[in-house]
Amino acid sequence: DAGVIQSPRHEVTEMGQEVTLRCKPISGHNSLFWYRQTMMRGLELLIYFNNNVPIDDSGMPEDRFSAKMPNASFSTLKIQPSEPRDSAVYFCASRPDRMQNTEAFFGQGTRLTVV
Amino acid sequence: SQQGEEDPQALSIQEGENATMNCSYKTSINNLQWYRQNSGRGLVHLILIRSNEREKHSGRLRVTLDTSKKSSSLLITASRAADTASYFCATHLPMNTGNQFYFGTGTSLTVIP
Repeated sequence: DAGVIQSPRHEVTEMGQEVTLRCKPISGHNSLFWYRQTMMRGLELLIYFNNNVPIDDSGMPEDRFSAKMPNASFSTLKIQPSEPRDSAVYFCASRPDRMQNTEAFFGQGTRLTVV
Repeated sequence: SQQGEEDPQALSIQEGENATMNCSYKTSINNLQWYRQNSGRGLVHLILIRSNEREKHSGRLRVTLDTSKKSSSLLITASRAADTASYFCATHLPMNTGNQFYFGTGTSLTVIP
């Protein structure tokens, strides 16, 4: 397996534009996480899906952020409209939960810059 | 942070020395994991310790867990320049409290050749 695949790797956009980040989890993994990493706030859990269903979205900053997982092999994180303070590295991670004590596998991240 | 704090925030040591970093967390856990992040890269899993374990070893890594104090430590022995990275603890919450996966604030380790 190629691991967790995120796209794009880098995104530069103007304030007010819509941004869509994509994630392909590892096949067979049934948990998926979106994290945001900034110097100020560290790694924040934004949303957690299990079997394609959002379980906890309490970390989503505000209504401008939305995430979907239409099937087991694809998830998106959308920001509309984007603001400069959304600039961060966004990571997607997946984990198999058939056994309780398993590690999470991370993608390489999407570095988002909103100007 | 959402779950854990790590200290120190930054650590600088000479090659060959041992590096110790600590993690404290807030709620009951299923397990605790340590990850490494090289600059500009994703996180890589290092080691997992279950809530009923107290110590675990993997190569030059030694992890301890004290659930009564809600704390863990990561020891890297005989450090190498290639160990320079940020290290994060992550807590896996039990299934009945959400099954989430939260990260601490991280320790930035610099190993000087």
